[in-house]
Amino acid sequence: DQQVKQNSPSLSVQEGRISILNCDYTNSMFDYFLWYKKYPAEGPTFLISISSIKDKNEDGRFTVFLNKSAKHLSLHIVPSQPGDSAVYFCAASYGLNAGGTSYGKLTFGQGTILTVHP
Amino acid sequence: NAGVTQTPKFQVLKTGQSMTLQCAQDMNHNSMYWYRQDPGMGLRLIYYSASEGTTDKGEVPNGYNVSRLNKREFSLRLESAAPSQTSVYFCASSRTGTATDTQYFGPGTRLTVL
Repeated sequence: DQQVKQNSPSLSVQEGRISILNCDYTNSMFDYFLWYKKYPAEGPTFLISISSIKDKNEDGRFTVFLNKSAKHLSLHIVPSQPGDSAVYFCAASYGLNAGGTSYGKLTFGQGTILTVHP
Repeated sequence: NAGVTQTPKFQVLKTGQSMTLQCAQDMNHNSMYWYRQDPGMGLRLIYYSASEGTTDKGEVPNGYNVSRLNKREFSLRLESAAPSQTSVYFCASSRTGTATDTQYFGPGTRLTVL
């Protein structure tokens, strides 16, 4: 039972254009969402996050949008650069609203391979 | 400051052999985690340690044991390896283990069980 799903295994975009990566979740208890980026032969690195009390969070070229009613989040990268080529994982956790304490147990999606062409 | 380190980087085992994957962090983090990554499955939590002296099962703990040796080190043991345990294993750590705390990952161990 995949509680966090990234239905697009891959995405290819031109340098300078927008990249939109999508993620759906089924567990309504999730209240904190994250995106991690992974280069080959390296571990994932944290990119951006959003809590369920917000619908948008921005950090430079990266923006995450959360639609709670649709149980959907997306990551926008504008403008896309060749160095953004990597695997992007969406992840979710819960416990934020329970006093902010949990053991940080993350549930990951399958990942989307983003390729940005020069 | 090396962050999270894992040894070995690669390992090939035969079915039934045992081995221990080592993980260490130098960030003085309280919480540590072991994940496995399989094609089409994302990362799945095997075990975690909220703080030194405690360990708990994650989503896929069967066939594994862990030891939180001290605050820095968290090892993962396969007592009798099976082909289904062929995977890439990632160790991670976070400062407090709370939901909003960033997890920092090691570079991974690629394990093949024949």
